[in-house]
Amino acid sequence: DQQVKQNSPSLSVQEGRISILNCDYTNSMFDYFLWYKKYPAEGPTFLISISSIKDKNEDGRFTVFLNKSAKHLSLHIVPSQPGDSAVYFCAASVRWAGNMLTFGGGTRLMVKP
Amino acid sequence: EAGVAQSPRYKIIEKRQSVAFWCNPISGHATLYWYQQILGQGPKLLIQFQNNGVVDDSQLPKDRFSAERLKGVDSTLKIQPAKLEDSAVYLCASSIDRLTDTQYFGPGTRLTVL
Repeated sequence: DQQVKQNSPSLSVQEGRISILNCDYTNSMFDYFLWYKKYPAEGPTFLISISSIKDKNEDGRFTVFLNKSAKHLSLHIVPSQPGDSAVYFCAASVRWAGNMLTFGGGTRLMVKP
Repeated sequence: EAGVAQSPRYKIIEKRQSVAFWCNPISGHATLYWYQQILGQGPKLLIQFQNNGVVDDSQLPKDRFSAERLKGVDSTLKIQPAKLEDSAVYLCASSIDRLTDTQYFGPGTRLTVL
């Protein structure tokens, strides 16, 4: 039973445009959500997070939106740059229960120059 | 500040052989995690340590996998005997504490079982 799902395995976007990566979850106990970026042969790198008490968090070109009623979150990258090309994982946790992350399957983002 | 270190980076073994992976977390991080990432999937948590104690190992296949963090710093993950389906990247992560902090990942060890 996949508790965190990323339904788009890949996404291609033109440089300068907006990239929108989506993630759905089923466990209503999750109270903390994160996005990680992964380049080949490297470990995942933390990108941005959001607590369940918020619906939006912004950090430079990256914004994460949380819709608790729909159990859906999204990552917006504006403007997209070729260096953003990577695999993006969303992850969720129940912080008070030990902060163990449950990851989605990842979305490969390709930003074309 | 040095990141999470892992070795070896790559390992090829035959099925039924044994293998061990090593992880050195970020200095001062009390919590250490081992994840398994099969090709095309997201990382899956195997075990979580708080200092030298196991917090959760519910997803660790204990008939063949074992892990320890004897002095509350470095950790080793062992597979004995290995199966073909164990081919994956094994990621180690650490965080300052297990309740609130972001996890930082090492580069991983890519295991191929032939």
